[in-house]
Amino acid sequence: DVKVTQSSRYLVKRTGEKVFLECVQDMDHENMFWYRQDPGLGLRLIYFSYDVKMKEKGDIPEGYSVSREKKERFSLILESASTNQTSMYLCASSPILGTGHYEQYFGPGTRLTVT
Amino acid sequence: GQNIDQPTEMTATEGAIVQINCTYQTSGFNGLFWYQQHAGEAPTFLSYNVLDGLEEKGRFSSFLSRSKGYSYLLLKELQMKDSASYLCAPREGGGNKLTFGTGTQLKVEL
Repeated sequence: DVKVTQSSRYLVKRTGEKVFLECVQDMDHENMFWYRQDPGLGLRLIYFSYDVKMKEKGDIPEGYSVSREKKERFSLILESASTNQTSMYLCASSPILGTGHYEQYFGPGTRLTVT
Repeated sequence: GQNIDQPTEMTATEGAIVQINCTYQTSGFNGLFWYQQHAGEAPTFLSYNVLDGLEEKGRFSSFLSRSKGYSYLLLKELQMKDSASYLCAPREGGGNKLTFGTGTQLKVEL
C-alpha cells in the first residue's frame, strides 16, 4: 500500500513564525503536491514537484515556498505565517504518466492554525 | 484554467441510487478523477475516466462525455458509510496536475 505521511496532524503557530510542513512518501513516486483545503473553496494547489530539486507553482503559491532535496520528501515552508494561512494542508504523491496508474495518494493532512 | 461545477449538497436514502454530476470547462482536457473524502480525512481515489463512456467498479460507476464537458458518479445500494464529500477533478494537459471541484457533500439517511 502507498503511504504518504505528514509530520503533524495539528499545528499552532504565531503570526510571523517560519513554519515547516513535511511530507514523506514510500512508493518512489516522482510527483509530489501540496494543497490547502478551505470550506467552500475546495482543494487548491500550492506547489508541485515532478523530480528532485524541481518545483512548479500551483494556483496559489504566494506566501509559500517548497523544497525537494530527496525523492521521498517534499517540504512546504511558510516564510512568515499569517492568519490567512490557517487551513488544512494536504500532501499528495503520484507516479509519472505511462505507468498505468495516475491517481494521487494523499497524506492525512495537517491542520495549521496561525494566531 | 478550469471551471468546475458540482452540486454543493445532496441527500439520499440508504439502499437507493444517487448520481452526482460534474461539469467542467478546461483547455487540454486529459481525463477526470473522482475522489471520496470523509470528514476529517484525506481524499481517496475512486475512479478515473479518460475515454467517453461508463466505468464500473462495484457499487460505484463513473461516466464521462468529453464533448459535453460532463461527468457523473453513480453510487448504488447506498450505505451509511457513503456519507462523504465527493470531489470531481479534471486533469489538464500532459502532466499530472489536477484541479479539484469544491465537492458534493452527500448525506445518506435511513
